Amino acid sequence: NAGVTQTPKFHILKIGQSMTLQCTQDMNHNYMYWYRQDPGMGLKLIYYSVGAGITDKGEVPNGYNVSRSTTEDFPLRLELAAPSQTSVYFCASSYLSGGETQYFGPGTRLLVL
Amino acid sequence: DQQVKQNSPSLSVQEGRISILNCDYTNSMFDYFLWYKKYPAEGPTFLISISSIKDKNEDGRFTVFLNKSAKHLSLHIVPSQPGDSAVYFCAALAGGTSYGKLTFGQGTILTVHP
Repeated sequence: NAGVTQTPKFHILKIGQSMTLQCTQDMNHNYMYWYRQDPGMGLKLIYYSVGAGITDKGEVPNGYNVSRSTTEDFPLRLELAAPSQTSVYFCASSYLSGGETQYFGPGTRLLVL
Repeated sequence: DQQVKQNSPSLSVQEGRISILNCDYTNSMFDYFLWYKKYPAEGPTFLISISSIKDKNEDGRFTVFLNKSAKHLSLHIVPSQPGDSAVYFCAALAGGTSYGKLTFGQGTILTVHP
């Protein structure tokens, strides 16, 4: 099992550009999450999904969109990138809704200039 | 509004001694607490958890204590090892249909010196 994989590892984006961060899990988990971590801060939930076709907003959803067409994939879309979206983005998946079973990917470091 | 706070950005201890990492929370709806460990360039990994119906949970060298009245929890690592050097995040879950939506603290960088 590869677990949770994220691409790219690092990207530089210009202000106003758009991009999609990819997240794939091969554990057949129902729950998937996107978090962002700013320097010196904890992870904040952007969006989450409880199954294919079902998504909902987390704590900081503005400027992002998600879709969940399959169990495996949960891409995060940034539209009109802003410097405030410079962050490290973590995707996680979970078989159950509890926190112990959340497996995190290695993260995508995004720089918006 | 930081609902989960880790007020110590960093902690340095000697190998073999005890490491104590602290976490405070403000939301009374939180009823499940977790600690995650994170190495550089990796995602967080689950370490230990505690339900609000308990005041202590132990797993090997790691023990988490919960003081509900003070809204405070702590992670004790005994004895500390150099491999424990990492960032430690406290996280909380609210009851009911939380769907695993974790609220994280800012993290504490633990350095264990040989």
